[in-house]
Amino acid sequence: GENVEQHPSTLSVQEGDSAVIKCTYSDSASNYFPWYKQELGKGPQLIIDIRSNVGEKKDQRIAVTLNKTAKHFSLHITETQPEDSAVYFCAASTGNQFYFGTGTSLTVIP
Amino acid sequence: DSGVTQTPKHLITATGQRVTLRCSPRSGDLSVYWYQQSLDQGLQFLIQYYNGEERAKGNILERFSAQQFPDLHSELNLSSLELGDSALYFCASSPTGKNTEAFFGQGTRLTVV
Repeated sequence: GENVEQHPSTLSVQEGDSAVIKCTYSDSASNYFPWYKQELGKGPQLIIDIRSNVGEKKDQRIAVTLNKTAKHFSLHITETQPEDSAVYFCAASTGNQFYFGTGTSLTVIP
Repeated sequence: DSGVTQTPKHLITATGQRVTLRCSPRSGDLSVYWYQQSLDQGLQFLIQYYNGEERAKGNILERFSAQQFPDLHSELNLSSLELGDSALYFCASSPTGKNTEAFFGQGTRLTVV
């Protein structure tokens, strides 16, 4: 089955700096890659996603890049704010299932 | 608000007992997923249903079972509960269940004592 690895497990940045979270996947059949943000005590919230026919997607301060050849994708958050502090999960889907990474705890220091 | 409703929000029960967790998907979504999230753990896929039929199975224990009803709500049944079953249980729904956006509920926190 698919195996998704996510790094780093924890990340601290100063407010206003950028944050980058990287994920790799193993199954070349994966073709849909969502990113979720989970705040304490809440369910994961879909923040951005990308499909395998696209190399990059942006939504305001958030962007995701995908390298199908290398089987990795990354989340980029620019101009970080304290409210960006949360756990971020990447995922890969081959069709029916979503395979999640182990999460990155992001702390934005004011 | 994702539009996915899970009840109850919290559940405390004793070892050996059986509980039922309920999930109402977003309006129009045909697929429901169940995930388990233990302390400091990621999201472990349990099972997926699409329009009432089981579509995919993950690492779901034999003591656990699920179903999706004609009105598309889903229930996850956990029996012979053990301390290690204490976790957050999330339901997610998506329109078709094939490479489309999945939206999560707020979860049910199960504590087995």
